[in-house]
Amino acid sequence: QQQVKQSPQSLIVQKGGISIINCAYENTAFDYFPWYQQFPGKGPALLIAIRPDVSEKKEGRFTISFNKSAKQFSLHIMDSQPGDSATYFCAPYSSASKIIFGSGTRLSIRP
Amino acid sequence: GAVVSQHPSWVICKSGTSVKIECRSLDFQATTMFWYRQFPKQSLMLMATSNEGSKATYEQGVEKDKFLINHASLTLSTLTVTSAHPEDSSFYICSAAKGGARGYEQYFGPGTRLTVT
Repeated sequence: QQQVKQSPQSLIVQKGGISIINCAYENTAFDYFPWYQQFPGKGPALLIAIRPDVSEKKEGRFTISFNKSAKQFSLHIMDSQPGDSATYFCAPYSSASKIIFGSGTRLSIRP
Repeated sequence: GAVVSQHPSWVICKSGTSVKIECRSLDFQATTMFWYRQFPKQSLMLMATSNEGSKATYEQGVEKDKFLINHASLTLSTLTVTSAHPEDSSFYICSAAKGGARGYEQYFGPGTRLTVT
């Protein structure tokens, strides 16, 4: 019920390309779907998040797509830049559940 | 903004000693703070949830007598690793949720690297 599956484990994208990371969940009670970005040796930072009442949210080059029926949400990074190279985590949440982070996706953007 | 600080950023201690890590929300009040542990190249694992003025809630498998958490004010939570051993070496990260946001919109500290020799 609490399982969160993130894919891929690692991703290499050419500069200027689109990076796509996926997160699948089982708990239908989740009502907050964030993506966190973490650089080596640093704490994670909230990148973008979505609530279940919308299917897509865009902030600059970052977009979350949410598919409630499939219980999946994804992060799209447009025009990927070397500075986007980091590890990304999904962590769907509701106040009635415990916090579980996805396994993480190590993204490398090649110049 | 929403800034969370941690102190120290790194610490080396001898086996058997205790280490205290502070987590502060600098520009907002945090009713709820969280403590995580992260091993190299792995995800964050929630250790405990800390609510101001009450006892922390520990996740299964986390020894509450070993990892003492105190949330004495709306801006400060501390994690004390007691009788540290080399297997406690890890990256400890705290986060804080604004006001009554609980686990929503968490703001993370920069982490504390603990090495036990």
